[in-house]
Amino acid sequence: SAVISQKPSRDICQRGTSLTIQCQVDSQVTMMFWYRQQPGQSLTLIATANQGSEATYESGFVIDKFPISRPNLTFSTLTVSNMSPEDSSIYLCSVAIYNEQFFGPGTRLTVL
Amino acid sequence: GENVEQHPSTLSVQEGDSAVIKCTYSDSASNYFPWYKQELGKRPQLIIDIRSNVGEKKDQRIAVTLNKTAKHFSLHITETQPEDSAVYFCAASLNNNNDMRFGAGTRLTVKP
Repeated sequence: SAVISQKPSRDICQRGTSLTIQCQVDSQVTMMFWYRQQPGQSLTLIATANQGSEATYESGFVIDKFPISRPNLTFSTLTVSNMSPEDSSIYLCSVAIYNEQFFGPGTRLTVL
Repeated sequence: GENVEQHPSTLSVQEGDSAVIKCTYSDSASNYFPWYKQELGKRPQLIIDIRSNVGEKKDQRIAVTLNKTAKHFSLHITETQPEDSAVYFCAASLNNNNDMRFGAGTRLTVKP
């Protein structure tokens, strides 16, 4: 398995501002993923982040709104830009290790 | 792309009874089917998975079956306990963890 941490665990932000979420893994992994989980809903993949290349975004998500960094094999960041109340959600990173996917604890974002 | 449908959305059973959750998928090329359990306020945790080369897998009280022809797979929990109460998500992906799509989730309540 993997130990995955995220910062911050939660935040309350004003509309129009940006928040950067950090994801740290205790081992080197090739593939990291960012998901969004709106209240009472399922998990929606935002993008896949591989070290050394640009993130691949899913339909409905764009780099200008959700820029992602992947500077090394243990770390990634997701920025939620120019936030609106509709961005209020839980954001989770996950990693694939030995053909299994493990999730971080999530970041609960509330946009006022 | 892949589309995963999950039923029922809510399920209530008496302690000791069995619970069955069903999922269908659209992409016949999908070959990896994990199930996640998410307790309130916590991250999704992998509980069992199955790959397309087998039809059934069991782990103590939990079993998963896969029908590739019909493109559906099911989670079976026997002798349910109150601590089984959670939201369960099925998922399907091609090439193990790439492009994983989640079902909408099933809220299972086990009444003591």
